[in-house]
Amino acid sequence: EAGVAQSPRYKIIEKRQSVAFWCNPISGHATLYWYQQILGQGPKLLIQFQNNGVVDDSQLPKDRFSAERLKGVDSTLKIQPAKLEDSAVYLCASSQNGPGETQYFGPGTRLLVL
Amino acid sequence: GDSVTQMEGPVTLSEEAFLTINCTYTATGYPSLFWYVQYPGEGLQLLLKATKADDKGSNKGFEATYRKETTSFHLEKGSVQVSDSAVYFCALRRAQKLVFGQGTRLTINP
Repeated sequence: EAGVAQSPRYKIIEKRQSVAFWCNPISGHATLYWYQQILGQGPKLLIQFQNNGVVDDSQLPKDRFSAERLKGVDSTLKIQPAKLEDSAVYLCASSQNGPGETQYFGPGTRLLVL
Repeated sequence: GDSVTQMEGPVTLSEEAFLTINCTYTATGYPSLFWYVQYPGEGLQLLLKATKADDKGSNKGFEATYRKETTSFHLEKGSVQVSDSAVYFCALRRAQKLVFGQGTRLTINP
């Protein structure tokens, strides 16, 4: 069974530029999550989708971050404009039937904002 | 709010040594508790979990017991191997959210 796929694996941009990350969850997984992991810290949930609807985006900085889940499968996370403090690893995870199920994580996208 | 505190790292041990990584939590009610592991260049993987007080989770020689009275979920392994070198995260789940500790980097020397 294929795992959670993410791309790109690495991205370097300058502040005020925009960037997008892509995630393909495990086939059949209804719930998808985006986390931000700043160096030396644990992952922090940014947004959670159930199929193509948003369940929780309370910690998403909505003035610059946006996310969508296309047809309840793939998802993109966008930052526009980026700030220095957005430098982090962005992790995507999915679970089968809901938040109570085990979450499976992708390898992450490492973003450096200069 | 809910929070998880792990022992400060990094932790360096010799092969076959005994491992303990401390984890305590703050939460109302009785959350489920987890240990995740992140090997170099890979995503987080679930190592073990416990869903109620006094439950013991175990996997790959690692164990952790849900202690309600001390609000703890310490990770232990009797004899570590070089392949156990990774970053370990303790986490709790409540109200459908995972809350992670800051992670503990473990290095095992041969």
